[in-house]
Amino acid sequence: EIVLTQSPGTLSLSPGERATLSCKTSQGIISGYLAWYQQKPGQAPRLLIYGASNRATGIPDRFSGSGSGTDFTLTISRLEPEDFAVYYCQHYGSSPLTFGGGTKVEIK
Amino acid sequence: QVQLQQWGAGLLKPSETLSLTCAVYGGSFSVYHWTWIRQPPGKGLEWIGEISHSGTTTYNSSLESRVTISVDTSKKQFSLKLTSVTAADTAVYYCARGKTGDYAHDYWGQGTLVAVSS
Repeated sequence: EIVLTQSPGTLSLSPGERATLSCKTSQGIISGYLAWYQQKPGQAPRLLIYGASNRATGIPDRFSGSGSGTDFTLTISRLEPEDFAVYYCQHYGSSPLTFGGGTKVEIK
Repeated sequence: QVQLQQWGAGLLKPSETLSLTCAVYGGSFSVYHWTWIRQPPGKGLEWIGEISHSGTTTYNSSLESRVTISVDTSKKQFSLKLTSVTAADTAVYYCARGKTGDYAHDYWGQGTLVAVSS
């Protein structure tokens, strides 16, 4: 099983600031099968990034993903009020699919 | 427009069987696999398993002995059964569209809170 470790656990930032979230995997992710999701309270997760760096349909370009192998990053270039949420990374290259523990981006 | 709509019992007693169904509206039913994911209150996400339109299943080994995912292609529905539930199975259960090795989960159901309590 591939273990995904996200850091930091909580990120306290102000609107307009840049957010950098990390996801490290215990094994290399084949073909970049790494996704990022945003989840707000009481809602289902929303796919932001797939294939490590591809934005899902309708996702604003302030969200970007990068990385390969075992180190991946989600960057939000300028935080909007609606971006304060919990973010999860996920590998979906092989079974079992696993998720990271999440990073909460909160308003400072 | 793709929509997943799920339903099922929300309150169970220990040792009972959890049963949820998810209906898929729009999009291709055969290209993707149909997935169940759960989230205990205040915690992270756990993949339970998935099924193809032809009925091929893959389960998380941590739950495999208690889980069955089935599909009804004619209705574009798939279902989850989890036997012998305990309080540890209390969670919001989501259905989602994706496919291991191909697609991330781009569409999700609304979620169903299943609580296990005596």
